[in-house]
Amino acid sequence: GAVVSQHPSWVICKSGTSVKIECRSLDFQATTMFWYRQFPKQSLMLMATSNEGSKATYEQGVEKDKFLINHASLTLSTLTVTSAHPEDSSFYICSANRLAGGPGETQYFGPGTRLLVL
Amino acid sequence: AQKVTQAQTEISVVEKEDVTLDCVYETRDTTYYLFWYKQPPSGELVFLIRRNSFDEQNEISGRYSWNFQKSTSSFNFTITASQVVDSAVYFCALSEAGGNKLVFGAGTILRVKS
Repeated sequence: GAVVSQHPSWVICKSGTSVKIECRSLDFQATTMFWYRQFPKQSLMLMATSNEGSKATYEQGVEKDKFLINHASLTLSTLTVTSAHPEDSSFYICSANRLAGGPGETQYFGPGTRLLVL
Repeated sequence: AQKVTQAQTEISVVEKEDVTLDCVYETRDTTYYLFWYKQPPSGELVFLIRRNSFDEQNEISGRYSWNFQKSTSSFNFTITASQVVDSAVYFCALSEAGGNKLVFGAGTILRVKS
């Protein structure tokens, strides 16, 4: 159990276009979903936390108008990179907590999406 | 503020050797949670273990074992008889009781050579 999927697994786009990444919890309902960004040979950087039906909470320095997050249901969250530029190229990873999970609940991670902006 | 330090950037071992990955954490909370994740070349983070601050019992799972010592704020991970498939980046992470955010260490690259 606790499987998280992401789609697409990789995407190449032209500068100025918008890209949507989906994160789904397949066999459980997720109270909270998280979006991370990871540059090569670096650790994960939390971008935002989203709860179903409410606005996402963004980490300091992350532009909320640039990275739009929608958590439409207990099994789906989407990240839209708007007007993407080459510096947005990165590995984007989502994770999810189980519904009714309390503090310190394990986060289960999706396989990630590699974004390359030309 | 919470912080996780993985001082070993990269470790190389030969297959069948034992290897220990170090993790030192900082937190002001008395209740907190520690995690280890494995990130193979494919990129997906695989959950390995979760430990809460009140449970200092060491744990063994197959070739994996974890040593949690609050006195030294460490949560070290040992792989016994390493295998090539163990090659990956390993992350230690901390979550405080007040929320679900994870603070990750920088990660340790483990290379196991045959």
